This record gives sequence, structure tokens and C-alpha cells, in this order.
Amino acid sequence: AQKVTQAQTEISVVEKEDVTLDCVYETRDTTYYLFWYKQPPSGELVFLIRRNSFDEQNEISGRYSWNFQKSTSSFNFTITASQVVDSAVYFCALFGSSNTGKLIFGQGTTLQVKP
Amino acid sequence: GAVVSQHPSWVICKSGTSVKIECRSLDFQATTMFWYRQFPKQSLMLMATSNEGSKATYEQGVEKDKFLINHASLTLSTLTVTSAHPEDSSFYICSARHLQGIGNTIYFGEGSWLTVV
Repeated sequence: AQKVTQAQTEISVVEKEDVTLDCVYETRDTTYYLFWYKQPPSGELVFLIRRNSFDEQNEISGRYSWNFQKSTSSFNFTITASQVVDSAVYFCALFGSSNTGKLIFGQGTTLQVKP
Repeated sequence: GAVVSQHPSWVICKSGTSVKIECRSLDFQATTMFWYRQFPKQSLMLMATSNEGSKATYEQGVEKDKFLINHASLTLSTLTVTSAHPEDSSFYICSARHLQGIGNTIYFGEGSWLTVV
């Protein structure tokens, strides 16, 4: 079975604080992809990152960084120096090679950044 | 970059009528598209997988005759909510799979807010 767990339902921080969103996944596939999406109040899903199972290098993109650890089946997302515009729901998702293209989503983490 | 466009963004329809939502991949061909439904403060629920040139594959519990999916071309999939009822009011979002080399990325449309009155 494939599963994505985002244990944090809601997080509230003050602007300029760093915040980490946790994502733990389960899969039996050896080849899989992990995604993070941002969903602002307007509803659209914004693609943030895709990481394949063979690449455990951490990635940094501006204030965003991702820590992928296969040993703990985690793919955590950190926002450094958070801003009010970062307020949104963030979804972690898994796509396994055996899953015929279906994305398995976590429940989402609502991030509120207060000024 | 790859873009998926969804139309309309907002639609209000009367109970008993049908409404069609379009999902287009703008700069790539998508043999597979997906339709999701999202209730307030919940995650996305996969409704069906839309395959170009063949019948859609519906998830368990999704009514095929209620939610008609057509994938007539490599860049267009449509979702028609037939005989809509207020409980069908929801946020519907599509995605398209873009094959890139040995990997693939899934992009989402902007979503469509459906309100049935």
C-alpha cells in the first residue's frame, strides 16, 4: 500500500521564522517520486518540487529547502524566513512506479504566517 | 514551462442541469489526465484517470454516469457533471502527466469551483 502522512494539520508562525513541514511516506516501489505542492486560498495547486527515489541530495531553492531521507521515508520541507505570502496549504504527494500515474496525497498542512 | 489550463474557474448552475469542465495541457501532450475533487479543508480525492482514446478509469465510489469524462485528444480532457445537485458543489481540479526523460512531473490546472443552487 502507498500512503503519505503529513502529521501537522496546522502550523502558525510569525513572519521571518523558519518552519519545517513534515512528510512521511510508505511505498513498496523501488522507483517513486515525491512532490510538494502549494495551494493558496485561491485553490490552484502550485508545483514546488519533484524528487525521485534515487536522488537523496537535499535541494535548496531560494527560501525553500527539502530534506529527503530514504532511511526514515521522509521528505520534509523547510521555509526559511517565512513571509505572509507563504500562507497556504501545502501537500506532499507520492507517485509510485506501480501506481499507473496516480498521485497519493497527504492530508495537507495549513501554514499561517502572521505579520 | 508546462502549463495546464482549466476552464471555467467558477461556475454556478441550477440543480438538475449539467456542467462541463475542461482541462487542457497547453504546451505538451498528455496521454493521461486525472480528475480530483476537494472538499473544504480536506485533501484531494482522485475521482478518475482519463486516458486519451479510451474510457476513463473511475475510483471506487465515483459514479460513472454522474461524472462523465472524455479525453478526445492528447491535450484535452473534459469532466461533465450531469444532473448536478447541491451536494456536487465542490472544487474540481485536473492534472496532466508530463513525461520528461526518465522521470515525469504532474501539473495541475487552476481548479474549478462548482456551486449548484
